[in-house]
Amino acid sequence: QLQLQESGPGLVRPSETLSLTCTVFSGSISSRTYYWGWIRQPPGKGLEWIGSIHHSGNIYYNPSLKSRLTISVDTSNNQFSLKLSSVTAADTAVYYCAREVSTITYGVFDIWGQGTMVTVSS
Amino acid sequence: SSELTQDPAVSVALGQTVRITCQGDSLRSYYASWYQQKAGQAPVLVMYAKNSRPSGIPDRFSGSTSGNTASLTITGAQAEDEADYYCDSRDSSGKHGGVFGGGTKLTVL
Repeated sequence: QLQLQESGPGLVRPSETLSLTCTVFSGSISSRTYYWGWIRQPPGKGLEWIGSIHHSGNIYYNPSLKSRLTISVDTSNNQFSLKLSSVTAADTAVYYCAREVSTITYGVFDIWGQGTMVTVSS
Repeated sequence: SSELTQDPAVSVALGQTVRITCQGDSLRSYYASWYQQKAGQAPVLVMYAKNSRPSGIPDRFSGSTSGNTASLTITGAQAEDEADYYCDSRDSSGKHGGVFGGGTKLTVL
C-alpha cells in the first residue's frame, strides 16, 4: 500500500530556509487523480494546510504562507518538496506530507506520512 | 468564510453515543472530512464525503451534514476512540487544500 515519508533537517536557524522532502513509496506521484500536500502542526496546536501540488505542476498555496513558500515535484524520484523561507519560531511544528483527493464536492487527505518535527532555533 | 469551528472538548461515557460538530460557511458547498489523531501520531482519516468510511474504520463512526454544520457521530464509543478529532473542508472558493477546524478533544469516561 502507498506510503509517504518526510525527510529533512530537524533544526533550522531563524531567518533561514526550511527544506523538506516527501518520498512516495508503493505508488506513483504521477497519477493524475491525486494532489500531494503539506500540512503542519505546531506543538500543542491544530493542523494547518500549507500547500498542495499536482505532478502536472498545478500548485495551490495557503495565502498566509504564499510569500515565503515554494512547493515542487520531482517525478523521476517520486518526491515532492517544501521550501519555506525566512523562518521564525512560529514555524516550529511537525510537518506532514499527505496524498490529497479533490472532487467537486469534497477534498480529503487520505494517506499521511508519519510527520517530521522541525524546530526553528538559534 | 474559510473558517471551521469545533468545540474544544467533548466527553462521552464508555459505550454511549457522541456527536462531534464542525461549523462553517464552506460546509454549505463542500462535505467535511474527519481525522482522528492520537497522541504522538499522525492524523488518520475516519470519514469523508457524504458518509464514507475508509477501509478499516469501524462502522460505529458515521457522518452527516445539515446546513453549515457537519457532524461525526460515534455510536457506542470505545476507549480507543479517545483522541483529537479535526474536521477539514475546502475554502469557499473550492481551491485545493484544506481548511481545518481547531480540533475537538474527545474523552471517553
